[in-house]
Amino acid sequence: DGGITQSPKYLFRKEGQNVTLSCEQNLNHDAMYWYRQDPGQGLRLIYYSQIVNDFQKGDIAEGYSVSREKKESFPLTVTSAQKNPTAFYLCASSISDLNEQYFGPGTRLTVT
Amino acid sequence: KQEVTQIPAALSVPEGENLVLNCSFTDSAIYNLQWFRQDPGKGLTSLLLIQSSQREQTSGRLNASLDKSSGRSTLYIAASQPGDSATYLCAPIFNKFYFGSGTKLNVKP
Repeated sequence: DGGITQSPKYLFRKEGQNVTLSCEQNLNHDAMYWYRQDPGQGLRLIYYSQIVNDFQKGDIAEGYSVSREKKESFPLTVTSAQKNPTAFYLCASSISDLNEQYFGPGTRLTVT
Repeated sequence: KQEVTQIPAALSVPEGENLVLNCSFTDSAIYNLQWFRQDPGKGLTSLLLIQSSQREQTSGRLNASLDKSSGRSTLYIAASQPGDSATYLCAPIFNKFYFGSGTKLNVKP
């Protein structure tokens, strides 16, 4: 059963803690993306990776970090430097950059 | 910076109606355009991808058109059903994906 999984579905953290969101795909896609979604706003690109061991900053990368050590996995770390981390985080993948994107179910992060 | 506008922001219709959702963008040099639906608290589900060389794409009761010269795409939903209730997002693709804020559709039984 091919697809994208994100875990956990809900995540709660205290301010000042780093937290890592998981994203795994078994679609054999080269490109992977992280977006942030806030109420009433469109999706905003945090980081993307076109190939293993390479990634680029998106529009709102400050306070976030990623790694791409395996083709299937693209974890996102929300650091304590992110000023307003509470949001819905979506991971996506595509066979190559700028092609049809497929999304995971999302992780809702709440930081208090 | 690309601007993507989706009109209307919200729409409520009785079951069975045909309806049109609109998406406009500011640059005609588009690569592709993708339409998604999003249910509350869920990820995005891909509906249709229109390549820049195409004028329209159909999937079941859905038909999406693309007019690059005017910077517009429409999503036509035929014979709407309560299960179509969701937020519909368009994403024109230039050097990256640009997402609109969506049209929230409610189909009443």
